[in-house]
Amino acid sequence: NAGVTQTPKFRVLKTGQSMTLLCAQDMNHEYMYWYRQDPGMGLRLIHYSVGEGTTAKGEVPDGYNVSRLKKQNFLLGLESAAPSQTSVYFCASSAVGGVYNEQFFGPGTRLTVL
Amino acid sequence: SQQGEEDPQALSIQEGENATMNCSYKTSINNLQWYRQNSGRGLVHLILIRSNEREKHSGRLRVTLDTSKKSSSLLITASRAADTASYFCATVDQGAQKLVFGQGTRLTINP
Repeated sequence: NAGVTQTPKFRVLKTGQSMTLLCAQDMNHEYMYWYRQDPGMGLRLIHYSVGEGTTAKGEVPDGYNVSRLKKQNFLLGLESAAPSQTSVYFCASSAVGGVYNEQFFGPGTRLTVL
Repeated sequence: SQQGEEDPQALSIQEGENATMNCSYKTSINNLQWYRQNSGRGLVHLILIRSNEREKHSGRLRVTLDTSKKSSSLLITASRAADTASYFCATVDQGAQKLVFGQGTRLTINP
């Protein structure tokens, strides 16, 4: 099992460009999450999904959109990137029960917006 | 907003010593989780302790939870160089659907 994988690992964007980060999990988990991590800070939740076809806003959703068309995939989109979105992005998944169980994290995507 | 606050922010000890990290939070929780993050990597789950539990063990790890003081501690015994990492506590409020992470404790084990 690969667990949780993220594509790409690194990306540099110019202000105003768009991109999509892909998260895939092979554990048949219902719940998936997108976080961002900034220097000296813990993780902050951007969006999450409690099942295929569902999405919900987290703590810092502005400037991001998500889609969960397939159970195993959770996409994070930036329509018009801004320097404030420079961060490391982590995807996570968990089984039925969501946050009442452990979360499994991907390796992260380091995004720089110039 | 961040719920858990870890203390200390950084800790440096000699290999073989015990390391203790603390986490304080503000609201009533369903559970509290500890995660480890090695430099440049994703987070790895260590232990989940529920609000009705007071102590849990996993190998060299011991976690305590005091809901009256709204605090938790993570003890790593007989530390090893491989334990060098950042450690985060994360809380789940009652009825919530999200983990809220603290800022982490950076642990360095010196050989």
